[in-house]
Amino acid sequence: DTGVSQDPRHKITKRGQNVTFRCDPISEHNRLYWYRQTLGQGPEFLTYFQNEAQLEKSRLLSDRFSAERPKGSFSTLEIQRTEQGDSAMYLCASSPQLTGEPKHEAFFGQGTRLTVV
Amino acid sequence: LAKTTQPISMDSYEGQEVNITCSHNNIATNDYITWYQQFPSQGPRFIIQGYKTKVTNEVASLFIPADRKSSTLSLPRVSLSDTAVYYCLVGDRGMDSNYQLIWGAGTKLIIKP
Repeated sequence: DTGVSQDPRHKITKRGQNVTFRCDPISEHNRLYWYRQTLGQGPEFLTYFQNEAQLEKSRLLSDRFSAERPKGSFSTLEIQRTEQGDSAMYLCASSPQLTGEPKHEAFFGQGTRLTVV
Repeated sequence: LAKTTQPISMDSYEGQEVNITCSHNNIATNDYITWYQQFPSQGPRFIIQGYKTKVTNEVASLFIPADRKSSTLSLPRVSLSDTAVYYCLVGDRGMDSNYQLIWGAGTKLIIKP
């Protein structure tokens, strides 16, 4: 399977704990996106990378959230001091678009469902 | 901040053509309009993308008027497996130049036999 892979698929954590999710994009894809989605809502943009550079970050994103893409390949999303409101599906997507291209064709993973109890 | 507006839900019957319209009054001059499909518990799947006029691929057509303030996704001869949520996506560069991807709330399409 050469699609976008996310790990884990499901995560249950206690409030206040830190969690980290991993995303392996399609090989050679330059862009990598992170989204959050709650039931009945569309995906909410969190951040995106062009290779290893984090180019944009949602102005609504709490500083408890941080993302990295150290070598321009896989990416991690960490949430510190989780809150119940962080419960959602976290989606990763990758695309082959180059810097400056305003196109948005992306390939999504299956997501990581986070439940904070 | 650019925003998209779509009908919350639609239903149709197998074999019919379905048209879903999205309004995006503040679309950026150089931005594309993209549509995705999402099934429950899965990530969205790219359907089609366009900048102006008409684009067609093997699954859908996208119609964009000259002012680009709206777009219409057309699904020909739908089947039960087309039951899903359809999202319209445009980008936006706010006053602080922070570029964000804006998704609509989605249209839940239900296809009946």
